Amino acid sequence: GEDVEQSLFLSVREGDSSVINCTYTDSSSTYLYWYKQEPGAGLQLLTYIFSNMDMKQDQRLTVLLNKKDKHLSLRIADTQTGDSAIYFCAETSSVSGSARQLTFGSGTQLTVLP
Amino acid sequence: EAQVTQNPRYLITVTGKKLTVTCSQNMNHEYMSWYRQDPGLGLRQIYYSMNVEVTDKGDVPEGYKVSRKEKRNFPLILESPSPNQTSLYFCASSTRDRGRVVGELFFGEGSRLTVL
Repeated sequence: GEDVEQSLFLSVREGDSSVINCTYTDSSSTYLYWYKQEPGAGLQLLTYIFSNMDMKQDQRLTVLLNKKDKHLSLRIADTQTGDSAIYFCAETSSVSGSARQLTFGSGTQLTVLP
Repeated sequence: EAQVTQNPRYLITVTGKKLTVTCSQNMNHEYMSWYRQDPGLGLRQIYYSMNVEVTDKGDVPEGYKVSRKEKRNFPLILESPSPNQTSLYFCASSTRDRGRVVGELFFGEGSRLTVL
């Protein structure tokens, strides 16, 4: 079945940029998502990108998609301590972006050091 | 306030003692789902429901049951819990937008279950 892979841990200094990477195997992925999980809380959608896009920017967040290599990244500029969380990559091959068919990665624990 | 509410948040139980984790959403969402989160494995879907009285298996349904008698509620039932069901459980819901189910899931805060 489909697989989504992420590295488990990332540490950065406050004020630096963070780059969280994700690879996926489903060549028919239509939508790709980044969710954030803060300590003791559920996941929240951060941003998403359609598969026909290469890049999406939203304030401090930049999502890059390399469809050929099946590689997705999330860049957080000027990382703050409040950005410390687990970040999940997710994908679907549903043409409607159905939440029913999301496949999640294992999550990357981002630690922001003062 | 729009939210997904799970109860209990924490539970320690023993093997074989039936338990139910409740989930309720106040956003009138058609779609609801249960996930379990285990270290290094991410989120795995247990069961989902597209609407009232419509449920289906996810990736790891063994040992679980669900029901969807009302739109707002989607309880997860463990008839005979075993230690391998020790996990963090999340309920989530989503809306149907113009006939499509959009990929934004709204999550509850999680229920941490320990089975001894």
